[in-house]
Amino acid sequence: KAGVTQTPRYLIKTRGQQVTLSCSPISGHRSVSWYQQTPGQGLQFLFEYFSETQRNKGNFPGRFSGRQFSNSRSEMNVSTLELGDSALYLCASIARQGDNNEQFFGPGTRLTVL
Amino acid sequence: AQSVTQLGSHVSVSEGALVLLRCNYSSSVPPYLFWYVQYPNQGLQLLLKYTSAATLVKGINGFEAEFKKSETSFHLTKPSAHMSDAAEYFCAVSKTGGGNKLTFGTGTQLKVEL
Repeated sequence: KAGVTQTPRYLIKTRGQQVTLSCSPISGHRSVSWYQQTPGQGLQFLFEYFSETQRNKGNFPGRFSGRQFSNSRSEMNVSTLELGDSALYLCASIARQGDNNEQFFGPGTRLTVL
Repeated sequence: AQSVTQLGSHVSVSEGALVLLRCNYSSSVPPYLFWYVQYPNQGLQLLLKYTSAATLVKGINGFEAEFKKSETSFHLTKPSAHMSDAAEYFCAVSKTGGGNKLTFGTGTQLKVEL
């Protein structure tokens, strides 16, 4: 069974640009969550999607957005990039609806903003 | 609001020695507690999860954790450290009704020495 796929693995952008990151969950999983990991702030929840609907959202500015497609693949977008957006963005795949389920994390996309 | 505190950002043990990684939680409702491990350049992997079914939780790779409500703790232990245990460990908390949103601690880097 294939794991969680995140593309691209590495990305370099400049301030003011926008970026789109992609996550393909484990086959059959319908829920996806996103986290940002930085040395200063640690791991922070961005949002969670189930069946194409945003179910939960963290405390991030509106520049951070996401969506989920009918095949459960998810994308997150960051507009008007700032230096502080440099981070490892992790996507997690969740098998079931409901709370507190096991999350299977992908390897992440490392975004560097120059 | 829920939170977890991990005491000790760096822990060093000798191979074969006891591993003890500390986590204290703060939650207004009965929490779900998790331990995740992250190896370099990889995503997070679930070690174990507390869901109130049993206070002593056994996980993968010989790790276990004990939920102690009186001490609001969920410390991670392993009787005998192996070189392959060197990684960063994260304690996390979630709550019923919160979807699958995890609030993570700041992490503990475990070093295993010969």
